[in-house]
Amino acid sequence: DQQVKQNSPSLSVQEGRISILNCDYTNSMFDYFLWYKKYPAEGPTFLISISSIKDKNEDGRFTVFLNKSAKHLSLHIVPSQPGDSAVYFCAASAFGNQFYFGTGTSLTVIP
Amino acid sequence: DTAVSQTPKYLVTQMGNDKSIKCEQNLGHDTMYWYKQDSKKFLKIMFSYNNKELIINETVPNRFSPKSPDKAHLNLHINSLELGDSAVYFCASSQAAGSNEQFFGPGTRLTVL
Repeated sequence: DQQVKQNSPSLSVQEGRISILNCDYTNSMFDYFLWYKKYPAEGPTFLISISSIKDKNEDGRFTVFLNKSAKHLSLHIVPSQPGDSAVYFCAASAFGNQFYFGTGTSLTVIP
Repeated sequence: DTAVSQTPKYLVTQMGNDKSIKCEQNLGHDTMYWYKQDSKKFLKIMFSYNNKELIINETVPNRFSPKSPDKAHLNLHINSLELGDSAVYFCASSQAAGSNEQFFGPGTRLTVL
């Protein structure tokens, strides 16, 4: 019952360009979505979130877009930097209950 | 000065053994969690504790038992380890149950031989 899916296991982007990471979900009751970033041998760290009442949230170089009708969200990083190279997890929850995580997308930013 | 710490970082053990993983958070959070990340990279919640009360208990085998001596600690005990228990286990904490931001520990890689 994989309710959150990240269909691209990896992504490579040139430094300075835009990185777009995608996430799809199946549960229409999800009302809160988060992106976590994970470096090797470390735990995930919170990056950015969005509530279902919004369709966009921006924090510096990071913007998350939510398309509720398509049950799709995306994370845009612009401009991409080598330090952004990490695994990015999408997560979703409904009514403050448990989080469901995707399997992650490994981003490599090429200098 | 780590916010959420776990020990050990690596654990290699034989099938059938009993082992524990410790977790401590110094953030003053009320809720702590255990997640399992399997070989397919699924990060799935196992347990959470809020003020020493179990509030989520996914359908994990009863060989796994969380124990919280106080609000800052949530240890994971595993009895009769099986090959399928090999995974990375992450501890996390949040300010309150239902809080939208969780802080994760560095993970414990468990390998069962």
